[in-house]
Amino acid sequence: GAVVSQHPSRVICKSGTSVKIECRSLDFQATTMFWYRQFPKQSLMLMATSNEGSKATYEQGVEKDKFLINHASLTLSTLTVTSAHPEDSSFYICSASGDPNEQFFGPGTRLTVL
Amino acid sequence: GIQVEQSPPDLILQEGANSTLRCNFSDSVNNLQWFHQNPWGQLINLFYIPSGTKQNGRLSATTVATERYSLLYISSSQTTDSGVYFCAVEEGAPGTSYGKLTFGQGTILTVHP
Repeated sequence: GAVVSQHPSRVICKSGTSVKIECRSLDFQATTMFWYRQFPKQSLMLMATSNEGSKATYEQGVEKDKFLINHASLTLSTLTVTSAHPEDSSFYICSASGDPNEQFFGPGTRLTVL
Repeated sequence: GIQVEQSPPDLILQEGANSTLRCNFSDSVNNLQWFHQNPWGQLINLFYIPSGTKQNGRLSATTVATERYSLLYISSSQTTDSGVYFCAVEEGAPGTSYGKLTFGQGTILTVHP
């Protein structure tokens, strides 16, 4: 199957700082990537859909000014959590669609905001 | 939006036992995937199965799209099968796709030696 990487795998930051998470499709081109959030012992919730060369589409209730998404190329999407606060602490996972529509997920990034 | 329900929420097995996990969904889908989330959080693709039956080793899956459910079968379970199993669907008619997956709440499987 296709491989998706994420970096960093774990980050601890102070409240008020910004954190950038990278998501790369390593062996295929992904015109669309997705960002999910998972709280402990809960399911995954879609945050936004990232399309190469255009603005991201955010799900209802997700603050687009807090969670900045950039899809600069067919293999790279980034999520920046701006002015992070403790309630933003979570497990963030990206995915990319292969062919035809099967999605492949990155290993996730565990964010802890102190 | 589409609703996805998984059952059972928890399942405890002895090694070697067989099990069936179920996923019900409330509307037409053009994508259905089963995942295993390992203890480190990585989602491992098990099946891409919007319809029909597939098998991969000890695992198999069946989706009956007209009746809006999918089943994941695990045979001769092993301790390494432990983890959370998720079903995820993309709402829509066949041939239309925007890629947005809606996840069920998962089944937590524990396999004891």
